Amino acid sequence: DAGVTQSPTHLIKTRGQQVTLRCSPKSGHDTVSWYQQALGQGPQFIFQYYEEEERQRGNFPDRFSGHQFPNYSSELNVNALLLGDSALYLCASSPPPPGLDYNEQFFGPGTRLTVL
Amino acid sequence: AQSVTQPDIHITVSEGASLELRCNYSYGATPYLFWYVQSPGQGLQLLLKYFSGDTLVQGIKGFEAEFKRSQSSFNLRKPSVHWSDAAEYFCAVGALGGSTLGRLYFGRGTQLTVWP
Repeated sequence: DAGVTQSPTHLIKTRGQQVTLRCSPKSGHDTVSWYQQALGQGPQFIFQYYEEEERQRGNFPDRFSGHQFPNYSSELNVNALLLGDSALYLCASSPPPPGLDYNEQFFGPGTRLTVL
Repeated sequence: AQSVTQPDIHITVSEGASLELRCNYSYGATPYLFWYVQSPGQGLQLLLKYFSGDTLVQGIKGFEAEFKRSQSSFNLRKPSVHWSDAAEYFCAVGALGGSTLGRLYFGRGTQLTVWP
């Protein structure tokens, strides 16, 4: 079982550019969540996708958007990059119910985004 | 509002010494509590979780945590620390159900340094 995978590992962009990050969930998982982890901080919830729809969203601007594909993989898009968008972006997947494990998030290794 | 406080930003212990990392939470409903560990450049690995039952939960790598509802705390402990435990530790709280199911609120983390 490959676990949650993310690509790319590292990315460098300049202000104003757009970026797309990718995530493949753990086998059997159907829900994908994205988190932003700034340096020295805990992860902050961006949004969650289930059945190809955004199910809930954190306090992030519309520049952050996402997509989920029929195979449950997901993309995070960020437009008009700002210096403050530099962070580790974590993808997490969770399994469907039943059982309380559906609230457990399995995290990928993250994508380190640097905005210059 | 949901929040997690980890009052210790950095803790240093000697190898073989005992460890306690503090976590306090604020949550409007029955919480689902987690401890994650993050090694440099890595994603988050689940150490243990609690949602009901015995308030002392056992996790991986010899860690345990105790839920104290009256104190809104979920402190992580280990009786004897190994050098490989050096990492950053995050406490998180989530919902058991409802509109925020699957969304985790993280503390800012505690960096653990282990002296040989």
